[in-house]
Amino acid sequence: EAQVTQNPRYLITVTGKKLTVTCSQNMNHEYMSWYRQDPGLGLRQIYYSMNVEVTDKGDVPEGYKVSRKEKRNFPLILESPSPNQTSLYFCASSYAGAYEQYFGPGTRLTVT
Amino acid sequence: KQEVTQIPAALSVPEGENLVLNCSFTDSAIYNLQWFRQDPGKGLTSLLLIQSSQREQTSGRLNASLDKSSGRSTLYIAASQPGDSATYLCAGAFNDYKLSFGAGTTVTVRA
Repeated sequence: EAQVTQNPRYLITVTGKKLTVTCSQNMNHEYMSWYRQDPGLGLRQIYYSMNVEVTDKGDVPEGYKVSRKEKRNFPLILESPSPNQTSLYFCASSYAGAYEQYFGPGTRLTVT
Repeated sequence: KQEVTQIPAALSVPEGENLVLNCSFTDSAIYNLQWFRQDPGKGLTSLLLIQSSQREQTSGRLNASLDKSSGRSTLYIAASQPGDSATYLCAGAFNDYKLSFGAGTTVTVRA
């Protein structure tokens, strides 16, 4: 089954404790991206990757890192999480950036 | 800056009524527009994608139109059912690296 998977689905952590949210797709997509969704602010792009080893900042990259060492994986790294990073995070992938995008199930992160 | 707007923010209709959801955008140089459904606390399910060269797309009870000159897209859901209750998001691709999302319309279909 073609899909985008994210892990973990739910995470509660404390300020400053490094964490990684994994994202994997099995559709051989070139493009992958991370968004965060907040009430009243909608979905905003954090980082994107057009291909392996090619990443770039989206609209709200501060406090996040990404890497794209393999085509199928695009992990989101929070080196020192803060409470303002409490949000619902989505990973997406597509054949190319302007093609139909497929979203993962989301990761609900709470930073206390 | 490409902006995508969805009005109203919420909509309540009786079962069986047709739903009309609106999406407007500021940049007519749009690559494509995608409609998604989101259930509370869940992920985004792609419903329809309309390319800039198309006027409409249909899938079952869903029909989406795109008018680039007026900067509008409309999602029609025929004969609504309680199971159609969800938040509907539209998103425009104005470049090749991101989608610009509207804030969504939350639909309640009353049985």
